Amino acid sequence: KQEVTQIPAALSVPEGENLVLNCSFTDSAIYNLQWFRQDPGKGLTSLLLIQSSQREQTSGRLNASLDKSSGRSTLYIAASQPGDSATYLCAVRQGGSTLGRLYFGRGTQLTVWP
Amino acid sequence: DGGITQSPKYLFRKEGQNVTLSCEQNLNHDAMYWYRQDPGQGLRLIYYSQIVNDFQKGDIAEGYSVSREKKESFPLTVTSAQKNPTAFYLCASRPGGSPDTQYFGPGTRLTVL
Repeated sequence: KQEVTQIPAALSVPEGENLVLNCSFTDSAIYNLQWFRQDPGKGLTSLLLIQSSQREQTSGRLNASLDKSSGRSTLYIAASQPGDSATYLCAVRQGGSTLGRLYFGRGTQLTVWP
Repeated sequence: DGGITQSPKYLFRKEGQNVTLSCEQNLNHDAMYWYRQDPGQGLRLIYYSQIVNDFQKGDIAEGYSVSREKKESFPLTVTSAQKNPTAFYLCASRPGGSPDTQYFGPGTRLTVL
């Protein structure tokens, strides 16, 4: 069964820092990997989706990379802002399945202070 | 507005009572999912449905039941058999094709007293 791990569990940084959030997964036979953002008491918002054949995706100050063979992904946040404070969740969709189910990590709780 | 709605946002129930959480989507998505989230935990899959009148158990289906009588609706019933039902419940839907991502509702926080 696929297991997804995120490190660190929590991160507190001053505004302006560049950040790296890590995600690892045990079964490299994935279809894609997604990074989500969750604000307290809210649903999830998709940030970036990387297909298994891709190495990275970028959106604004966010860049996500994928190394499928080693079972790792990183989310890079440039020039962090207080508005980036949230929990970031990594999720993988297993390959070979048409059911679309996702396996989630426990998340990294990010706090960016002014 | 297109999207996924969950109601109510907060729900309180006495121990031993069944309770049904609503999930409605007007995105014309085929697949729908129910997840449970506990503090400091990732999302765990309860049930999912690919088409109307069909659904499958996820990793933690015990004590829960669902129905999918209409494409836009996927209600979740938390039964008295669920030993620890207090949690945050999230519903999601996914289109049949691209983009291959799930869209999430705002969630329902269930507290059993």
